[in-house]
Amino acid sequence: QKEVEQDPGPLSVPEGAIVSLNCTYSNSAFQYFMWYRQYSRKGPELLMYTYSSGNKEDGRFTAQVDKSSKYISLFIRDSQPSDSATYLCAMSAQIDMRFGAGTRLTVKP
Amino acid sequence: SAVISQKPSRDICQRGTSLTIQCQVDSQVTMMFWYRQQPGQSLTLIATANQGSEATYESGFVIDKFPISRPNLTFSTLTVSNMSPEDSSIYLCSVDRGYGYTFGSGTRLTVV
Repeated sequence: QKEVEQDPGPLSVPEGAIVSLNCTYSNSAFQYFMWYRQYSRKGPELLMYTYSSGNKEDGRFTAQVDKSSKYISLFIRDSQPSDSATYLCAMSAQIDMRFGAGTRLTVKP
Repeated sequence: SAVISQKPSRDICQRGTSLTIQCQVDSQVTMMFWYRQQPGQSLTLIATANQGSEATYESGFVIDKFPISRPNLTFSTLTVSNMSPEDSSIYLCSVDRGYGYTFGSGTRLTVV
């Protein structure tokens, strides 16, 4: 079993749709949870950072962490074509970070 | 937040040769991380580079194949040695911001 599981997609939605991206993990020691966005031919950029369980909202983006279920989510409201990218979840206990394989998202105008 | 300049952005290399990738950070950082990103797979940590000490390599990666230099707190290089087509991948450097990592733009390596 992989330490972090993420559905690679691809996921295609129409503009304006609500997007839900998810990851599951097996290591209960993880405390820090992140979502990265990676455009083609670019390095990943940090989108959301969450500590422990709970929700965090930033504009159209909401990150949720459920440590009891070992499940994290990223919601994108009113999705835009500019949101088309690969989204990677990441998590760590202290320094050692583990990444999901990434979900490729396409938002069609 | 830290800004990382990584080069080259891409290269096509002959098998058996070596390529050195450079990363320059605009602020001093204790640790720099080198990752490999293969298509459809998660980022895999190659090694952690500390200034003034030997790099720490993850399982499956060895210093002879991926020598790393860290001459100061703002610069690091990763060399991919004696390349084979299996080394074709994206290589990324990163630093810890304290709330997530900042990544370089990546080096897309193709070995022919």
